[in-house]
Amino acid sequence: VQLVESGGGLVQPGGSLRLSCAASGFSLRSYALHWVRQAPGKGLEYVSAVSADGGTTYIANSVKGRFTLSRDMSKNTLYLQMGSLRPEDTAVYFCTRGSGPKYFDSWGQGTLVTVSS
Amino acid sequence: QSVLTQPPSASGTPGQRVIISCSGSRSNIGINTVNWFQQLPGAAPKLLIYSNNQWPSGVPDRFSGSKSGTSASLAISGLQSDDEADYYCAAWDDSLNGYVFGTGTTLTVL
Repeated sequence: VQLVESGGGLVQPGGSLRLSCAASGFSLRSYALHWVRQAPGKGLEYVSAVSADGGTTYIANSVKGRFTLSRDMSKNTLYLQMGSLRPEDTAVYFCTRGSGPKYFDSWGQGTLVTVSS
Repeated sequence: QSVLTQPPSASGTPGQRVIISCSGSRSNIGINTVNWFQQLPGAAPKLLIYSNNQWPSGVPDRFSGSKSGTSASLAISGLQSDDEADYYCAAWDDSLNGYVFGTGTTLTVL
């Protein structure tokens, strides 16, 4: 099982960025995938998720209306489209797998998003 | 914003036993299972305990979890210098319809 995030970088306030989470060793059809972020020196914050069947999504209030999720099943990849970015969105964004009691059993290495002018 | 409350720090000497608490409410810990995570400096979190008190493969039984009412605890026995890390609890919250994390506890091995 492997999760690899990419797409992070430096972006100006108000800008957009798309993060990718490429999964291998399992199918997105079998597991929910989640995004968790961690601001510099801070704790973990649950951001968004999509269920295994794609029928249910979750977006935290802090990013609702600005972030959206999508999946490319042919690439076994999850995307987080981030818009209207704010300095407080600066964080390492982790992709993590989980369904049932063993939620968040595997994590990617994270990708850093920095929102600054 | 964290819904589960943990002490900011904990410490112990090698060989000692340390307990980290996680306090929530009925909508999360009260009716759902708790998982614990270890985050070493500069690394991604790692699942340490699931379903309140179960070990994923490869996690030593020096780590143990428990839950009572709206609180949970992580106990680490036989403390080692490698255990220095941040520890987080998490649970599903029925009111938020999403997962919530604890505020995190930094463990120092003296």
